[in-house]
Amino acid sequence: QKEVEQDPGPLSVPEGAIVSLNCTYSNSAFQYFMWYRQYSRKGPELLMYTYSSGNKEDGRFTAQVDKSSKYISLFIRDSQPSDSATYLCAMVGNTPLVFGKGTRLSVIA
Amino acid sequence: EAGVTQFPSHSVIEKGQTVTLRCDPISGHDNLYWYRRVMGKEIKFLLHFVKESKQDESGMPNNRFLAERTGGTYSTLKVQPAELEDSGVYFCASSQVPNTEAFFGQGTRLTVV
Repeated sequence: QKEVEQDPGPLSVPEGAIVSLNCTYSNSAFQYFMWYRQYSRKGPELLMYTYSSGNKEDGRFTAQVDKSSKYISLFIRDSQPSDSATYLCAMVGNTPLVFGKGTRLSVIA
Repeated sequence: EAGVTQFPSHSVIEKGQTVTLRCDPISGHDNLYWYRRVMGKEIKFLLHFVKESKQDESGMPNNRFLAERTGGTYSTLKVQPAELEDSGVYFCASSQVPNTEAFFGQGTRLTVV
């Protein structure tokens, strides 16, 4: 079993839709949870960073962590074509960052 | 504030040749990391510097890879001799606090032919 599982998609939604991206993990030592956005031929860009269970909101983005279920989510409200990218979850505990495979998202105008 | 800078952005070399990748971290970030993504796989950790010291090099694939960070500023990753399976995108990242909020460079796309 991989430490971090993430559905690679692709996921295609119409503009304005609410997007839900998810990762599950198996390592209970993970304490910090991050979401990165990566545009084609660019490096990962840190979007959200949280270390506790619950929700964290930043504009149209909400990160949710459920440590009891080992499940994290990223919600994007009012999705825009500019949100089209690959979204990677990443986690760290007593190890360096461990990434999911990334979910490729397309928002269609 | 300048972000993490990597050079070159793209390198194509023949099997058996040597390639050196460079990373300039964000100024003031003591922690510098190298990661690699091979096609179809996740981004995988290679190693972690704290200033000029190697904190963790557990992800380095073999002794053909040599990373240095002289003076605790920029870092280089040398692959010698390069093999076909070394092809991928090599990312550098830096952070103020270890293993948190790492900021990534744009990556170096290495193609070994």
